[in-house]
Amino acid sequence: DTGVSQDPRHKITKRGQNVTFRCDPISEHNRLYWYRQTLGQGPEFLTYFQNEAQLEKSRLLSDRFSAERPKGSFSTLEIQRTEQGDSAMYLCASSLGHPSNQPQHFGDGTRLSIL
Amino acid sequence: AQSVTQPDIHITVSEGASLELRCNYSYGATPYLFWYVQSPGQGLQLLLKYFSGDTLVQGIKGFEAEFKRSQSSFNLRKPSVHWSDAAEYFCAVVPGAGNMLTFGGGTRLMVKP
Repeated sequence: DTGVSQDPRHKITKRGQNVTFRCDPISEHNRLYWYRQTLGQGPEFLTYFQNEAQLEKSRLLSDRFSAERPKGSFSTLEIQRTEQGDSAMYLCASSLGHPSNQPQHFGDGTRLSIL
Repeated sequence: AQSVTQPDIHITVSEGASLELRCNYSYGATPYLFWYVQSPGQGLQLLLKYFSGDTLVQGIKGFEAEFKRSQSSFNLRKPSVHWSDAAEYFCAVVPGAGNMLTFGGGTRLMVKP
């Protein structure tokens, strides 16, 4: 069990640029979640996948955000035309099943800074 | 509205003292309850969880939490705090039919020597 892995750990970019983050879940975990955490706040849910299907999206996930999990393993989160308000820590989590009996395990996150 | 409240934004305790971090939730049915800890610049580590059964649950690092349905609370406790416990602590819930975690605002714990 190597844990949830996220890459990169830090990303600094200029406003208006596109960025993409990657998450590798714990192997055999069929559920994968993305959360966003701004400074001094708790994480907020963005979206989740069961295998390759994206089953739920938050209203926080604007049209500029897109997430994929093409083969049901790793996932990517892309932000197009970044804005200052996108600066945050983006956290990925995975689980073996439904939250009623399987907790979510988090990666160390990708910190995004928009100049 | 459904929510999770951690009333204490900051708490400072002396090393060796006992600790209680408060968490209240507002959901119609009993949710699934969690406590996570986050060190600066890191992700979240699961301390303990409550799904059903015994309302006093034991977790890692000597932490425990008690679910009280009548008070809609799930407070985290530790009998003797160590300096390494300084971190941010988050209470989180999953409503019975839901799939995602809803987090409280967090409590930052500082430990005095």
